[in-house]
Amino acid sequence: DVKVTQSSRYLVKRTGEKVFLECVQDMDHENMFWYRQDPGLGLRLIYFSYDVKMKEKGDIPEGYSVSREKKERFSLILESASTNQTSMYLCASSLSGGSGSTDTQYFGPGTRLTVL
Amino acid sequence: AQSVTQLGSHVSVSEGALVLLRCNYSSSVPPYLFWYVQYPNQGLQLLLKYTTGATLVKGINGFEAEFKKSETSFHLTKPSAHMSDAAEYFCAVSVRGGGNKLTFGTGTQLKVEL
Repeated sequence: DVKVTQSSRYLVKRTGEKVFLECVQDMDHENMFWYRQDPGLGLRLIYFSYDVKMKEKGDIPEGYSVSREKKERFSLILESASTNQTSMYLCASSLSGGSGSTDTQYFGPGTRLTVL
Repeated sequence: AQSVTQLGSHVSVSEGALVLLRCNYSSSVPPYLFWYVQYPNQGLQLLLKYTTGATLVKGINGFEAEFKKSETSFHLTKPSAHMSDAAEYFCAVSVRGGGNKLTFGTGTQLKVEL
C-alpha cells in the first residue's frame, strides 16, 4: 500500500514564526502536492512538484514556499505564519510525471495548523 | 480553466436509502473526473474515476458514478446507504496535459441516519 505520512497531526504556532510541514511518501512517486482544506472551500492547491528540485505554483501560493531536495520528501514552508493560515494542510503524491492526468493521488492524514 | 460545482454541502439519508451526491463540471477540453471520500480525521481516498471509455464507473464500497457529457455531470450514487458511508465526499476534475493537477469541489457532507 502507498503510504503518505505527515510530520504532525496537530501544530500550534505563533504569528510571525517560520513553520515547516513535512511530507514523506514511500512509493517512489514523481508528483507531490500540498493543499489546504477549509470548511466550505474544499481543497485548494498551494504548490506541487513533479520532480526533485522542481516546483510549480498552484492556485494559492502566496505566503508559502516549498522544498523538494529528495524524491520522497516534500516540505511546505510558511515563512512568517499569519492567523489566516490556520487551516488543515494535506499532502498528496501520485505516480507519474509529465501529463499523467489520470493518476490517483494518495493523501496523507493531514496537519491541522493553528496560528495564534 | 476547469471547475467543479457540488450541489448541497450537506446531504442526509436514512440507512438503506439511495445515496445521490451531485457534481457538475466545467471544462473546455475533455475532462477526467474523480470522486474522493474523506472519513473523519483521515486524508482523502479515491472512490472512483472516469478517464475514457465506459461512462458508468464502478468504485469501492458499492458506489458508482455516470459521466454525462451533455449534462456536464458526474453524480455519485449508491443504492443502499450504510452507517459507515457517513463522510465528506469530494468531486474533482483534471484534464489531459494538466500534469495531474486536480481542481476540487467544495465537498458534500453525507449523514446517514437510522
